[in-house]
Amino acid sequence: ETGVTQTPRHLVMGMTNKKSLKCEQHLGHNAMYWYKQSAKKPLELMFVYNFKEQTENNSVPSRFSPECPNSSHLFLHLHTLQPEDSALYLCASSQGGDYNSPLHFGNGTRLTVT
Amino acid sequence: AQTVTQSQPEMSVQEAETVTLSCTYDTSENNYYLFWYKQPPSRQMILVIRQEAYKQQNATENRFSVNFQKAAKSFSLKISDSQLGDTAMYFCAFRRLAGNTPLVFGKGTRLSVIA
Repeated sequence: ETGVTQTPRHLVMGMTNKKSLKCEQHLGHNAMYWYKQSAKKPLELMFVYNFKEQTENNSVPSRFSPECPNSSHLFLHLHTLQPEDSALYLCASSQGGDYNSPLHFGNGTRLTVT
Repeated sequence: AQTVTQSQPEMSVQEAETVTLSCTYDTSENNYYLFWYKQPPSRQMILVIRQEAYKQQNATENRFSVNFQKAAKSFSLKISDSQLGDTAMYFCAFRRLAGNTPLVFGKGTRLSVIA
C-alpha cells in the first residue's frame, strides 16, 4: 500500500483516442500534483491542486485536462495526444500549507502514444 | 527561477562501499528545503532525506547523509555501506519556503550497486 494509487499502470493510445488517468490518495493530504517524467529530463510539474482548487498550470497544452473532484482524487483527461507526450505520468500528494511536508508519489502510469 | 543540477547521469558502486551523489542548485532565496528522492524500478518516488536550509547540521537517515554547503549551493548525498536495494534513480529537489510551492527536480543520477 503506497498511500497514492495510480491507474492504469500502463496505457497505449492512439492520437485520436480519449483516455483518463486516475490518482487516489489515502493519506489525508489536501494538495495533489501531476508530474511528467521523460527520459533524461527533470520531472516537469504539470498541475497543482490545493483543497480541490487548481493553483498551478505550468503551461500545459489543452490536450491535457485535469480534474480534482475532491481532495482524495485526481484525474488527467487525455485527448488528441502527440507521440512526444509518451512519458511516465506521476501523481503526488502532500499536506498543503506545511512547507516541510514531502511529496508522496504513486507508481506512475507509463503512457505510450502511437 | 530555481534550477537544480545533477552532473552525474550514471554512477556505480561496489556493495558495502560508500558513494556520493552530487547536486547543486541556484536560488536567490535564503530559506528553503532540499530533498533527495529515490526511484527504484518499481517507479515509485520515495523520499530518502531532507534538509532545511536554516539548519547548519547535516541531515542523516541511517546509511544516508548529506553534505549541505549553503554558500556553495551544494547538497550531496552520501550512501554508506551500499546495498543492492539502493540501485535506483536518485533525484535532488528544491522547494522554496513560500506558499505551497512545488518541488523543482534535477535530471537524476542512475546508481547501480554491484555485487
